[in-house]
Amino acid sequence: DGGITQSPKYLFRKEGQNVTLSCEQNLNHDAMYWYRQDPGQGLRLIYYSQIVNDFQKGDIAEGYSVSREKKESFPLTVTSAQKNPTAFYLCASSPPAFADTQYFGPGTRLTVL
Amino acid sequence: AQKVTQAQTEISVVEKEDVTLDCVYETRDTTYYLFWYKQPPSGELVFLIRRNSFDEQNEISGRYSWNFQKSTSSFNFTITASQVVDSAVYFCALSEASRDDKIIFGKGTRLHILP
Repeated sequence: DGGITQSPKYLFRKEGQNVTLSCEQNLNHDAMYWYRQDPGQGLRLIYYSQIVNDFQKGDIAEGYSVSREKKESFPLTVTSAQKNPTAFYLCASSPPAFADTQYFGPGTRLTVL
Repeated sequence: AQKVTQAQTEISVVEKEDVTLDCVYETRDTTYYLFWYKQPPSGELVFLIRRNSFDEQNEISGRYSWNFQKSTSSFNFTITASQVVDSAVYFCALSEASRDDKIIFGKGTRLHILP
């Protein structure tokens, strides 16, 4: 089945550690996105990538890094520089024909202890 | 200033009642897109509808309907004969052609359908 997968569903890390969240899609979508969701808030854009080997900062990129070495994969690293990393992280992708419609993965809930 | 405003933070209705979720947006673009997404308790956002700024026709899909009014910058979502499975957080969102297809989300409306 085609879709977007994020792993793991729940992730726990100690403060000060970097952690990488996985996002994979087999939909042949060109663009991929990372969002952060906090309780009672909408989604805020962290990073996005429209093509392989290229990505741009979103509204809240500080403390995060990404890579886009393959079309199917867009991992997000939450670094120790991110002051409040505990949140729900959602990955999305959009198809080339409808670049503005995004489809989402199941999300990863990160808790930093 | 918020570009997408969902004034209703939380709504509770009894099953089988109709319910309307409000969305007001703000943009200077003439070309833009509006969306509704559903986020059930599992967390994944489910795409419901995309409407472009040149198409003001209302749309109906089963129990769901959407009312787009450019004159009031609103894109409201109505669920008729609500069911418990409709309980979720619903997000309205805006994509502007001038912003590189990036989507701006409202803060969401949490809908409780009571049995």
